[in-house]
Amino acid sequence: SQKIEQNSEALNIQEGKTATLTCNYTNYSPAYLQWYRQDPGRGPVFLLLIRENEKEKRKERLKVTFDTTLKQSLFHITASQPADSATYLCALPPYNQGGKLIFGQGTELSVKP
Amino acid sequence: GAVVSQHPSRVICKSGTSVKIECRSLDFQATTMFWYRQFPKQSLMLMATSNEGSKATYEQGVEKDKFLINHASLTLSTLTVTSAHPEDSSFYICSARDTGEQIHTEAFFGQGTRLTVV
Repeated sequence: SQKIEQNSEALNIQEGKTATLTCNYTNYSPAYLQWYRQDPGRGPVFLLLIRENEKEKRKERLKVTFDTTLKQSLFHITASQPADSATYLCALPPYNQGGKLIFGQGTELSVKP
Repeated sequence: GAVVSQHPSRVICKSGTSVKIECRSLDFQATTMFWYRQFPKQSLMLMATSNEGSKATYEQGVEKDKFLINHASLTLSTLTVTSAHPEDSSFYICSARDTGEQIHTEAFFGQGTRLTVV
């Protein structure tokens, strides 16, 4: 069955540094991959979508890469700020079924001032 | 961006009672909505797909008689947890996509409902 794995250990970094989060998947080739941010007690908020034919996507201080050979996506936050502290989730459509998403377990990021 | 409103945000109920959670798309139409459940420190688990005007599709292991889903209009889906038990205590989240957009677009999530069964 399809599996999504994110680094379950919390990531602690200093303000101003670049945070890099990893998402690995197995057992299929998704047409796209999405990253979401979730704050405690809140629903996820969409950040970026990257399609299978795209290697990299940027949005302000965020950058996502998508390596379909390695079956991996990297999510970078440059010049990190304490306000970036949250849990970051990657999500994929299961067997490319329209609309559905399955999520990784998320990586908790803590940015210290 | 588009808004999905979920209500209530928090509910406490007695064991054996039923609880209804509403999910509304406020400024777009959604023929399909999705219901997720999230336990502490765990990821979102898809429970079911809510289809406007037809029966919901449930994921494996989710009891359809316990989690009743109704999608009566293009902007409203409801999840009713029937005969709730303490093990049903969780964070329930709905999501929707704009029907007018392509499938490969972002999903909009409600703010979630914290259900506590005592």
